[in-house]
Amino acid sequence: AQSVTQLDSQVPVFEEAPVELRCNYSSSVSVYLFWYVQYPNQGLQLLLKYLSGSTLVESINGFEAEFNKSQTSFHLRKPSVHISDTAEYFCAVSVLSSNTGKLIFGQGTTLQVKP
Amino acid sequence: NAGVTQTPKFQVLKTGQSMTLQCAQDMNHEYMSWYRQDPGMGLRLIHYSVGAGITDQGEVPNGYNVSRSTTEDFPLRLLSAAPSQTSVYFCASTLSGGANVLTFGAGSRLTVL
Repeated sequence: AQSVTQLDSQVPVFEEAPVELRCNYSSSVSVYLFWYVQYPNQGLQLLLKYLSGSTLVESINGFEAEFNKSQTSFHLRKPSVHISDTAEYFCAVSVLSSNTGKLIFGQGTTLQVKP
Repeated sequence: NAGVTQTPKFQVLKTGQSMTLQCAQDMNHEYMSWYRQDPGMGLRLIHYSVGAGITDQGEVPNGYNVSRSTTEDFPLRLLSAAPSQTSVYFCASTLSGGANVLTFGAGSRLTVL
């Protein structure tokens, strides 16, 4: 079975500071990795994903995540956050060989960007 | 292009009542799923479907029922609501499994008194 652990439930940070949201996963088989973002009172939307190839993946709004197979981690980083980044962030995995469209989510991390 | 549409957005039920959360997508996605979101627990899979006429249980299926008679619709039925089912429910769809990105609805907030 697969599991996802997000190590921080809340991360407060000042505007323009760097941030890292941590995600570790457990799986005996290969997985795809995702980060989703949920803005207040909205559904989830994809931030970035790792499928294969380069272990560093980037989003259009400045976030990046690095797949580390040896440490089974997929931490999310941004060098300088903005007030508008305030949201809840979810790490998720999907089994490579599964064809069911199922995702396994972590518990979520609330990023609070303060002015 | 509406994407994934969920209704209702808000609902209050009494214990023991039944209701159906509606989910429709217009993207011709084969895969659809229902998740519930609870504080500190992330999203947990309730039921999913890999195509019309095919459904299966997820992580927390008890107390819920689904059917998939068309590609577009995937309703979630609460048979006899309980306070433990107070949650925010999300429907999602994707073209195919594995690497494809899920498209989520805006959510349905359910309170059971």
